[in-house]
Amino acid sequence: DTAVSQTPKYLVTQMGNDKSIKCEQNLGHDTMYWYKQDSKKFLKIMFSYNNKELIINETVPNRFSPKSPDKAHLNLHINSLELGDSAVYFCASSQVEASPLHFGNGTRLTVT
Amino acid sequence: AQSVTQPDIHITVSEGASLELRCNYSYGATPYLFWYVQSPGQGLQLLLKYFSGDTLVQGIKGFEAEFKRSQSSFNLRKPSVHWSDAAEYFCAVGAGDDKIIFGKGTRLHILP
Repeated sequence: DTAVSQTPKYLVTQMGNDKSIKCEQNLGHDTMYWYKQDSKKFLKIMFSYNNKELIINETVPNRFSPKSPDKAHLNLHINSLELGDSAVYFCASSQVEASPLHFGNGTRLTVT
Repeated sequence: AQSVTQPDIHITVSEGASLELRCNYSYGATPYLFWYVQSPGQGLQLLLKYFSGDTLVQGIKGFEAEFKRSQSSFNLRKPSVHWSDAAEYFCAVGAGDDKIIFGKGTRLHILP
């Protein structure tokens, strides 16, 4: 029974397109996150939502827009995709402040 | 702001040998500290965590880590590695603001 699931696993698209990545957690956690992992494996936090409310918004281009319809879901929509957006995007969840993160298996986004 | 340094990008050890992966953090108060492991194509899995109390923490898969406040370190150890331990290892620090910051990772290679 997958705890944090994200879809799709792979996403290949052309520059300028708009795409979405979906994430769902069945752990009952209050906080969900999006992390970006670049080609050098560096993990950088992008957004954090607590109970549907945005609480962390790092310096991410406003082409990236997270949406949390309920506390079990956090989707990421990306407009006008650029080559530099190619990365693996991880969704994660945690119970409360700084408690361990539970990660999804990632979405590998390739922009051509 | 908190930060994490993993000074070794790659580490190679022989199967059966002992392992120590280094992690140094920067944070003004007592941090929450984590080690995660990432196998190829997978999300990150929590190995162990330190919040308070005993400075030597035990984790899954035979790993342990020791928090040393005087050295701002949280090194990961295993007495005898197995070929299946080959992966990317991430040290992370949390500061109670729902933001967990990751180091750049150490890739562990195992020689047969």
